[in-house]
Amino acid sequence: GESVGLHLPTLSVQEGDNSIINCAYSNSASDYFIWYKQESGKGPQFIIDIRSNMDKRQGQRVTVLLNKTVKHLSLQIAATQPGDSAVYFCAERDMIYNQGGKLIFGQGTELSVKP
Amino acid sequence: GAVVSQHPSWVICKSGTSVKIECRSLDFQATTMFWYRQFPKQSLMLMATSNEGSKATYEQGVEKDKFLINHASLTLSTLTVTSAHPEDSSFYICSTGQPGQGARETQYFGPGTRLLVL
Repeated sequence: GESVGLHLPTLSVQEGDNSIINCAYSNSASDYFIWYKQESGKGPQFIIDIRSNMDKRQGQRVTVLLNKTVKHLSLQIAATQPGDSAVYFCAERDMIYNQGGKLIFGQGTELSVKP
Repeated sequence: GAVVSQHPSWVICKSGTSVKIECRSLDFQATTMFWYRQFPKQSLMLMATSNEGSKATYEQGVEKDKFLINHASLTLSTLTVTSAHPEDSSFYICSTGQPGQGARETQYFGPGTRLLVL
């Protein structure tokens, strides 16, 4: 079936460095993508989203890049801080054929920031 | 984004008992809510879509008679785990979208409920 996957299950970075978390998706009909951050014992927290008519979207210290040609999504975190340590999930939705609004989640990447 | 609460935040129960988990949308009326289950070190798995005033839509493999969903009002959906067993121990999370964003209906999640069945 359709799935959203991640290339790297764990990522360790030095405080202050930039982090890049990758995600591959298989449903070419998906046209809306979201990145979530989940801290231990908490629910996922919305970080940033992007529609398929865009290639890049920036937020505060975060940038999401979408490459529809290779069905790849990435989250870039600038100047990574210890508070960024968490599991990051990408999620996708087929907005045309999935009006119910279901999200399909990737496996998750655990980001560890070393002080 | 939308503010979603869950109650209780954690619960321990004996095998065979039933447990009810509440999900509330605090700042808007949610016609649709979603229930997920998450095991340690794993991703979120959608269990069902809760629709206000109608029956929930369950994902394949999820027993509707075991996981009862009630969405009686626009701000409250409940998930009841009936006759809970140790294998039902998990982290249960609800989410809701925020209307008014057109096609961009981001889901916002509650804080989750940790269930431990002894």
